[in-house]
Amino acid sequence: QKEVEQNSGPLSVPEGAIASLNCTYSDRGSQSFFWYRQYSGKSPELIMFIYSNGDKEDGRFTAQLNKASQYVSLLIRDSQPSDSATYLCAVKAAGNKLTFGGGTRVLVKP
Amino acid sequence: EAQVTQNPRYLITVTGKKLTVTCSQNMNHEYMSWYRQDPGLGLRQIYYSMNVEVTDKGDVPEGYKVSRKEKRNFPLILESPSPNQTSLYFCASSLKQGGGYSNQPQHFGDGTRLSIL
Repeated sequence: QKEVEQNSGPLSVPEGAIASLNCTYSDRGSQSFFWYRQYSGKSPELIMFIYSNGDKEDGRFTAQLNKASQYVSLLIRDSQPSDSATYLCAVKAAGNKLTFGGGTRVLVKP
Repeated sequence: EAQVTQNPRYLITVTGKKLTVTCSQNMNHEYMSWYRQDPGLGLRQIYYSMNVEVTDKGDVPEGYKVSRKEKRNFPLILESPSPNQTSLYFCASSLKQGGGYSNQPQHFGDGTRLSIL
């Protein structure tokens, strides 16, 4: 079992809809959770981080964390074609290692 | 401009010929890391460094070496490259990853695409 799992997609959503991405992790000691966006051929860029249970909102993005169920999700509201990218979930345990999931490819169709 | 600079951006070479990929950051970051990215496998950490002269293995360190003699530089060395090391490599840096609840984002370089024939 992979330490951090994501559905590879593609997740196809119409423009203006909500895109919902999920990520599960295996290490119960994980404490910090990150979402990165990666456009094709580009480097990852951080869009959200969360470390407390519940929701965290930043503009059109909302991260949700449920440590008991060991999942973290990302919602993208009012999806735009420019949101089409691969979204990487990254999890940091008590040490300093950051483990990434395989990424979910999102396609926003006009 | 704050940035992480990797060189070269692209390299095609042959099995067994030693190569070094350089990484330099100008943000005075303590933490630096190397990843490789392969289709379907996401980013996998090769090595990381918490500070000068401190390096640790990540998930896939076999076949790689690193050094951290200066704070700004963190080169990745392939002593005897093999075709299974063909991949896209990213260097990243951040402020110190202190404690468990670290929210320090990692700044990534533009990537180095290595092809080992």
